[in-house]
Amino acid sequence: DAGITQSPRHKVTETGTPVTLRCHQTENHRYMYWYRQDPGHGLRLIHYSYGVKDTDKGEVSDGYSVSRSKTEDFLLTLESATSSQTSVYFCAISSRLAGVETQYFGPGTRLLVL
Amino acid sequence: KNEVEQSPQNLTAQEGEFITINCSYSVGISALHWLQQHPGGGIVSLFMLSSGKKKHGRLIATINIQEKHSSLHITASHPRDSAVYICAVRPNRDDKIIFGKGTRLHILP
Repeated sequence: DAGITQSPRHKVTETGTPVTLRCHQTENHRYMYWYRQDPGHGLRLIHYSYGVKDTDKGEVSDGYSVSRSKTEDFLLTLESATSSQTSVYFCAISSRLAGVETQYFGPGTRLLVL
Repeated sequence: KNEVEQSPQNLTAQEGEFITINCSYSVGISALHWLQQHPGGGIVSLFMLSSGKKKHGRLIATINIQEKHSSLHITASHPRDSAVYICAVRPNRDDKIIFGKGTRLHILP
């Protein structure tokens, strides 16, 4: 699992509140990704990071911000949560070894916005 | 149009059957991934392909770069193979990966 953890694993919050999800990795991988998974959709990229303080937007970045102040931590913030952000959020890293790329995913965070 | 299309969306089969899941994509890619997601949510990488064929146990993945198509085969299917199988591609010169919507496989004992 490349030492990826996510916290919290479950969260219930109210519309309009800020929420921060944390992804932590222990193996010094450069690339980290935040996805959301919803019924009827594939995994959709929210934001990704290619190094400390280096981030870029994905296809569904509106309403989300990220920060990466350390290699091991990638934070996803919902600035003012809305019900449409109820979803399962996955963090992932990309590892490349001998020309073979492997994607490793965290266990996911289930977020319910009431 | 989605850049990554999987078929079928859902598949139910009897234990022991040979299973094929297909993935078509519309962009030039540097790699194609097959992933497995069990009920309960964990996502596991099965294969990365850039050409040819790979085999791991009862799972075989093939890719035809010219036709922009990949297949995942499961031989002697078992109820524990029940999961969602996801195809994903990394477009050329791109940091991002594009995912298909997944194929939900249910193997009946």
